[in-house]
Amino acid sequence: SQQGEEDPQALSIQEGENATMNCSYKTSINNLQWYRQNSGRGLVHLILIRSNEREKHSGRLRVTLDTSKKSSSLLITASRAADTASYFCATEEGGSEKLVFGKGTKLTVNP
Amino acid sequence: DAGITQSPRHKVTETGTPVTLRCHQTENHRYMYWYRQDPGHGLRLIHYSYGVKDTDKGEVSDGYSVSRSKTEDFLLTLESATSSQTSVYFCAIRSGQPTEAFFGQGTRLTVV
Repeated sequence: SQQGEEDPQALSIQEGENATMNCSYKTSINNLQWYRQNSGRGLVHLILIRSNEREKHSGRLRVTLDTSKKSSSLLITASRAADTASYFCATEEGGSEKLVFGKGTKLTVNP
Repeated sequence: DAGITQSPRHKVTETGTPVTLRCHQTENHRYMYWYRQDPGHGLRLIHYSYGVKDTDKGEVSDGYSVSRSKTEDFLLTLESATSSQTSVYFCAIRSGQPTEAFFGQGTRLTVV
């Protein structure tokens, strides 16, 4: 089964609102990554958070990590229509180089 | 874009025929990955490679084999394609932990 599971599966919001997506994983990790995928395209890396970090920011992105709960969240503030995409979390299974992804959250930002 | 290309980009093949997808990189990255993406399943790892001739299975490796005879090329082979292997296949590369992965544009494979 897949390592990460994103929640919700789909999210629809209005432009300017914040969007929060969650990821839960199963095994111990060294780091967790978030990726974005525009329809029909390859994934693009957004941000990486290490296991000894609790929060990280990059522009309008804020990522948190709670290793005790094996969960992470991605917050996109002041969303734009261009943020419409699917978002995936990824971890190295059991600390190996086996990079595995969740099923993703499909975000729709309405103008 | 990172130097990673997949070929072909689109392919239609008949059930029972062999199919090989190619992933080529110009970045000299050690790790290469093959994923398939299907609605409702996200990305699932098929196989990955941690060096020339070094490969390991992912979560959905049945029916697939891989080879890496050169750093720059990672081949995915469907020995006898089945309709359940109709999917979009993505290749990814990365230099190692804790670095990001770079993805190819994908190959849309249809098995009829």
